[in-house]
Amino acid sequence: AQSVTQLGSHVSVSEGALVLLRCNYSSSVPPYLFWYVQYPNQGLQLLLKYTSAATLVKGINGFEAEFKKSETSFHLTKPSAHMSDAAEYFCAVADAGNNRKLIWGLGTSLAVNP
Amino acid sequence: NAGVTQTPKFQVLKTGQSMTLQCAQDMNHEYMSWYRQDPGMGLRLIHYSVGAGITDQGEVPNGYNVSRSTTEDFPLRLLSAAPSQTSVYFCASSPYHGQGYQPQHFGDGTRLSIL
Repeated sequence: AQSVTQLGSHVSVSEGALVLLRCNYSSSVPPYLFWYVQYPNQGLQLLLKYTSAATLVKGINGFEAEFKKSETSFHLTKPSAHMSDAAEYFCAVADAGNNRKLIWGLGTSLAVNP
Repeated sequence: NAGVTQTPKFQVLKTGQSMTLQCAQDMNHEYMSWYRQDPGMGLRLIHYSVGAGITDQGEVPNGYNVSRSTTEDFPLRLLSAAPSQTSVYFCASSPYHGQGYQPQHFGDGTRLSIL
């Protein structure tokens, strides 16, 4: 069965520092992978997705993620954190054979300190 | 363009009461779904629909009903509210794009408390 593990439920960075949010997955078939962001008291927004095209995926708000099959990882990065990036970030995997259903990670709360 | 609209935003119910959470989208998306979000549990799929007249169960369907009579609307009904259904409920939609269905647009949620 597919699963998603987000390492670190809370991450804190300084404004201007690199953001690195970790996501590892397990899947028996080539996966589709997603990152979503949830700002306080709002719904989720799709940040980016990997669907077996380029392994480096660029998303909105300056975020990108790299699919590494050998490491079964899909870590989310942003070169320079902004205060407005403070939010909850969710990684999810969808089995290419059953991609109507996402398997969600438990989320990582990102705090950005001035 | 309103996107996905959920009503109400907040609701308090007593155990045993029934209610309907409304969800509407104006993007002509085929796929709509309902999730619940609980601390430490992540998002869990309740029900989903791939088009008008077609619904299916997700991970945690017990105690909930849905229908999809139009493309735009996908209401979620709680048949007899229980405290375990206290949660934040999100409706989501997405178009079909040849790679299956994954939620793309979310509503702002309904915060439901069952006393």
